[in-house]
Amino acid sequence: DTGVSQDPRHKITKRGQNVTFRCDPISEHNRLYWYRQTLGQGPEFLTYFQNEAQLEKSRLLSDRFSAERPKGSFSTLEIQRTEQGDSAMYLCASSFSTAPYGELFFGEGSRLTVL
Amino acid sequence: SQQGEEDPQALSIQEGENATMNCSYKTSINNLQWYRQNSGRGLVHLILIRSNEREKHSGRLRVTLDTSKKSSSLLITASRAADTASYFCATGGDSSYKLIFGSGTRLLVRP
Repeated sequence: DTGVSQDPRHKITKRGQNVTFRCDPISEHNRLYWYRQTLGQGPEFLTYFQNEAQLEKSRLLSDRFSAERPKGSFSTLEIQRTEQGDSAMYLCASSFSTAPYGELFFGEGSRLTVL
Repeated sequence: SQQGEEDPQALSIQEGENATMNCSYKTSINNLQWYRQNSGRGLVHLILIRSNEREKHSGRLRVTLDTSKKSSSLLITASRAADTASYFCATGGDSSYKLIFGSGTRLLVRP
């Protein structure tokens, strides 16, 4: 399968714990995005990378959130000291930069439940 | 924050009928895209329309764009039960390359 893959698909954690999500984009895509989606809402932009450079971060991304994309390949999104309000679906997407406003290819998401 | 607002929030139709969803946005755009999401899954791109286009077709999908009214519509013709999903519009075109999504229309096609 050559699509965007995310791991884990589901994560249940207790408040205060740290969690990390991984995203493997489509191999030739150099842009990678993270979105957060709560029930009944559309995806909200968190951050995006072009190659290994993090070019934009949303105000939604508090200092408990950190994203990395070492070597411009896979990306990780870490949430420290989780809160119940962090419960959501975390979606990763990738795209190819020669299509400046082209379509995004999404993974199946990582669903986080904070108890 | 979300740029687009879809209308209606929910739509229930009989198989074979047409479904029309509307999207309004606030700022100038380079393009507008529609995505589909089945329950609990990721989003799938359906169609992209650029700001200098007024109408675009893809299979049973027809998208219109009115930049003067900052609105778009998605028409699904001859709907099928398998079209049951949430549909989101997304706009791109500010100085960055991110897409801003609307709140979505939940479509139910009854067999």
